Amino acid sequence: QSALTQPRSVSGSPGQSVTISCTGTSSDVGRYNYVSWYQQHPGKAPKLMIYDVTKRPSGVPDRFSGSKSDNTASLTISGLQAEDEADYYCCSHAGMYTLVFGGGTKMTVL
Amino acid sequence: QLQLQESGPGLVQPSETLSLSCAVSGDSISSSRFYWGWIRQPPGKGLEWIGHIYYSGSTYYNPSLESRVTISVDTSNNQFSLRLSSVTAADTAVYYCARIRTTSNWFDPWGQGTLVTVSS
Repeated sequence: QSALTQPRSVSGSPGQSVTISCTGTSSDVGRYNYVSWYQQHPGKAPKLMIYDVTKRPSGVPDRFSGSKSDNTASLTISGLQAEDEADYYCCSHAGMYTLVFGGGTKMTVL
Repeated sequence: QLQLQESGPGLVQPSETLSLSCAVSGDSISSSRFYWGWIRQPPGKGLEWIGHIYYSGSTYYNPSLESRVTISVDTSNNQFSLRLSSVTAADTAVYYCARIRTTSNWFDPWGQGTLVTVSS
């Protein structure tokens, strides 16, 4: 069970859009529509931003959206705001009731 | 409002057993729609799923930790626990507990986390 692959860092200017990828295999991301995304600010617990690939929990701005193609899931943040600067993690069901996280992406607002 | 709170020693000796509890308030741990799980994060590193448990006692563990991990549930006190045996410095991390939706397996909410340091 290997960690999902995410870029170490991404950046964008306020108002722009950024996309964070999360690449797995045909045994996890590619097989199940159970990818979730988490935002983590320094010293804080992670917060659920997207679940079931595309769904947003109540209270999460619609600037955050998710998608999936084959073995790669993506999180897009549009209309970047300063408070979006954080670490982002993806997570996928990996079969046999196991779960796997991505390595995390540091998102910087320039 | 659902809240989870971790508790346990912040310092554990190498080769000993790490023990943490997670108290759940605002919801019943016996809900059929959720699992209850543990995740850890070494300092400066990413998240690692440790395992989770259903109120019935069914457990699911990360294969890389399975030989050392035990998760248990106490429905009468609405809490669940983690035990990790034979710890080393590599087990030093912030340990989080979280509620996990069955089938979809998303984590929400999370506890605030507790730092456990393995050192003599």
